[in-house]
This record gives sequence, structure tokens and C-alpha cells, in this order.
Amino acid sequence: EAQVTQNPRYLITVTGKKLTVTCSQNMNHEYMSWYRQDPGLGLRQIYYSMNVEVTDKGDVPEGYKVSRKEKRNFPLILESPSPNQTSLYFCASSLSGFYQPQHFGDGTRLSIL
Amino acid sequence: QQQVKQSPQSLIVQKGGISIINCAYENTAFDYFPWYQQFPGKGPALLIAIRPDVSEKKEGRFTISFNKSAKQFSLHIMDSQPGDSATYFCAASGGTNAGKSTFGDGTTLTVKP
Repeated sequence: EAQVTQNPRYLITVTGKKLTVTCSQNMNHEYMSWYRQDPGLGLRQIYYSMNVEVTDKGDVPEGYKVSRKEKRNFPLILESPSPNQTSLYFCASSLSGFYQPQHFGDGTRLSIL
Repeated sequence: QQQVKQSPQSLIVQKGGISIINCAYENTAFDYFPWYQQFPGKGPALLIAIRPDVSEKKEGRFTISFNKSAKQFSLHIMDSQPGDSATYFCAASGGTNAGKSTFGDGTTLTVKP
């Protein structure tokens, strides 16, 4: 089954404790992206990757890191999480970054205390 | 600066009625406009998408109307059903940063039986 898999689905942690949210896709997609969803604010793009080893900032990259060492994986790293990063996070992928629909994972709910 | 403005924030429609959600964008370089549907606990899923070379695209009960000169596009859901109750997001991408996607804030649609 074609899918985007995020782990963990839920996480409660404390300020300053480094965490990684993994994202993997099995569709051989070139493009991957991370979003955060907050009530009333829609989805805001954090980082995206047009291809392996190529990453670019979205609209809200501060406090986040990403890497794209393999086509299928695009982990989101919070080096020193803070309470304002409490949110619902989505990973997405598409065949390419051009005129293609994005396929989303089911989300990761992060709570930073 | 919000580049895609979506309205209304919420919408209640009777079964069988027409649901209309509007979006306006600012960046004239945008050239791909998808609509996504999101159910609780799930990631957004593509509903329908349009490019600016056409003014309308229809897929089943869902139609996108696109007005390039006004920089507006809208989603029409004909014969709305209770199963259409979800949150809908418009999005836009394109231009020099093709991988960057901007989403509207979302519309929560409730279809009453």
C-alpha cells in the first residue's frame, strides 16, 4: 500500500530534550515536506526537499532541522524543543515538486512541556 | 504576510445543498492550486487541483472555479452529503520556489442531514 509513515504518532516531552520525528514514504517520490498544523492557522510549511541531499526552508523553519540522505526518509529534528513547538506535524511527499499533489501521513502530535 | 486567504472559516449546509469555499492569493507566480480534504485524525488528502490555463475543472460533485485576473479560486461541492463534513484547505505553489507550498487557514464544513 502506497503510504507516508510518521513515527511516533504521539509524543509528550519536556523543553530542551532533543527529539526526532521520522517520515518514510514507499512511493519512490522525489519531493518531501514537513508541515505544522495549529488551530486557525492552517498548514504551515517547515522545510521541504526537492530531492536527495537538497533541502530548503519553508515559512516556519526556526527551531527545526531536516536531512535527506535517502529518497524514502525525511526526518524532522527538534534540537532543543520549546513549548511553542507544541503542534500537530505532517509529513508529505509527491512525485516531484512541480504540479503534483502531495500525499500526507496521518500526523504526529507533539506536546512540549 | 498571508499569501493565501481562505473563507469562510466554517460553513453549515443542508444535505443536497451547494457548499462554496473561496480562496484569494497574492503571488502571481503561483501556478498550481490544489484543494485538500481532511477528516479528524487523518492527514489532508487531495480532492481536486487546477492550473491557471483553465477557468474551471470538474470531478464528480467537486468543481474548482479559477479567476486569474482576480487572483481567486473557489471550490464548489454540489449535492453536499453528510460524508463531506470535513476540513477543506486550499493551497498554492509555483514560481521560483516551486517546492514551497502555501495553504489557506482551512474551512470546517458541516453538512446537516
